[in-house]
Amino acid sequence: ETGVTQTPRHLVMGMTNKKSLKCEQHLGHNAMYWYKQSAKKPLELMFVYNFKEQTENNSVPSRFSPECPNSSHLFLHLHTLQPEDSALYLCASRSSSGQEAVGYTFGSGTRLTVV
Amino acid sequence: GQNIDQPTEMTATEGAIVQINCTYQTSGFNGLFWYQQHAGEAPTFLSYNVLDGLEEKGRFSSFLSRSKGYSYLLLKELQMKDSASYLCAVMDSNYQLIWGAGTKLIIKP
Repeated sequence: ETGVTQTPRHLVMGMTNKKSLKCEQHLGHNAMYWYKQSAKKPLELMFVYNFKEQTENNSVPSRFSPECPNSSHLFLHLHTLQPEDSALYLCASRSSSGQEAVGYTFGSGTRLTVV
Repeated sequence: GQNIDQPTEMTATEGAIVQINCTYQTSGFNGLFWYQQHAGEAPTFLSYNVLDGLEEKGRFSSFLSRSKGYSYLLLKELQMKDSASYLCAVMDSNYQLIWGAGTKLIIKP
């Protein structure tokens, strides 16, 4: 366990379904991230939250909707996804108070398959 | 644009040494990270370089040359458990990580 917990680990959903991914950290970090990881591609940053406020949205389609109710929890709500959205979705957190050397702590990810 | 390049796949023999290279072009530089990711698992932090030179941590070492936009990860005395993907990432001027696509390292007995 890394200290960042993601659920579920695996998810299969139809294109008309609505589902949510959950991320939880109790490391005292104040920045949380959603990444998409596709095979043989760099990690794609989707959303960034600093102190519960969204600070980045890298042109992500509206069928992905993030929610950060507090600094320990992060959700990614999914709606009418496409097969090309199938990927590993990683949550990460870090302390944004000068501890750059520590880097990001990642969860184990949710393997999403859209059918 | 911002770009991180690393080989897609490398193969090495158990007990040997392997060097994984990473070159980068980014807007600003606040350090370079190496992460290890086993299949189906979270990426885990290996090393951080912000100044030129070599950082050694047990069997793993990481080198940085900022003038050349170049880093490498050196793995010694390879073990089967070192089979994984190795991700190079640069922290840019906004403290965001720019990622390479990862190098899949295959260790053979």
